[in-house]
Amino acid sequence: EDKVVQSPLSLVVHEGDTVTLNCSYEVTNFRSLLWYKQEKKAPTFLFMLTSSGIEKKSGRLSSILDKKELFSILNITATQTGDSAIYLCAVVREYGNKLVFGAGTILRVKS
Amino acid sequence: GAVVSQHPSWVICKSGTSVKIECRSLDFQATTMFWYRQFPKQSLMLMATSNEGSKATYEQGVEKDKFLINHASLTLSTLTVTSAHPEDSSFYICSAPSRDRGEKLFFGSGTQLSVL
Repeated sequence: EDKVVQSPLSLVVHEGDTVTLNCSYEVTNFRSLLWYKQEKKAPTFLFMLTSSGIEKKSGRLSSILDKKELFSILNITATQTGDSAIYLCAVVREYGNKLVFGAGTILRVKS
Repeated sequence: GAVVSQHPSWVICKSGTSVKIECRSLDFQATTMFWYRQFPKQSLMLMATSNEGSKATYEQGVEKDKFLINHASLTLSTLTVTSAHPEDSSFYICSAPSRDRGEKLFFGSGTQLSVL
């Protein structure tokens, strides 16, 4: 059975801190891994990772995938209160577009 | 960019009634749409895959007679919660794949259903 495990489940930090969110997976015919940020309603897309070792960056956010060890991390540097959200990791199998989501990490950034 | 519109945003209904939720792709065609359910403080759980012109594919444990899905056109999928009960109260959200390889899903804004 496909499985996506995120850790930690929740995290409280202060503004300016750096956080690392983890996502490990077990899935047959892995195709890609995606990170989403969910605030109030719909998740918004952050990154799509398909190859190992290639870091993707967007501002203060970055992510990398390790297909050998079956995990990905999402880093957020110099956190701000606006980073407070649920961060979801999801994997896509080779055939079809269904996403298998992890439980999410609830991040709260205190001012 | 691609946009997915979902409505209603929230609905309160009495137990035993049916509720229809619509999901529209506004500027692209979606032969496939996905329906998820999310309980408080939990992750999105895929309920079913909606396929234009054919029957929906339901995930294990999801009652197809309870959650009716219709994908009548390339831009519209509907989810009907039939004979809703309080335990069906949840956040329902749809998504549709964008044109580039399909992994980059665009999500509707979700529907909060409360069954009294």
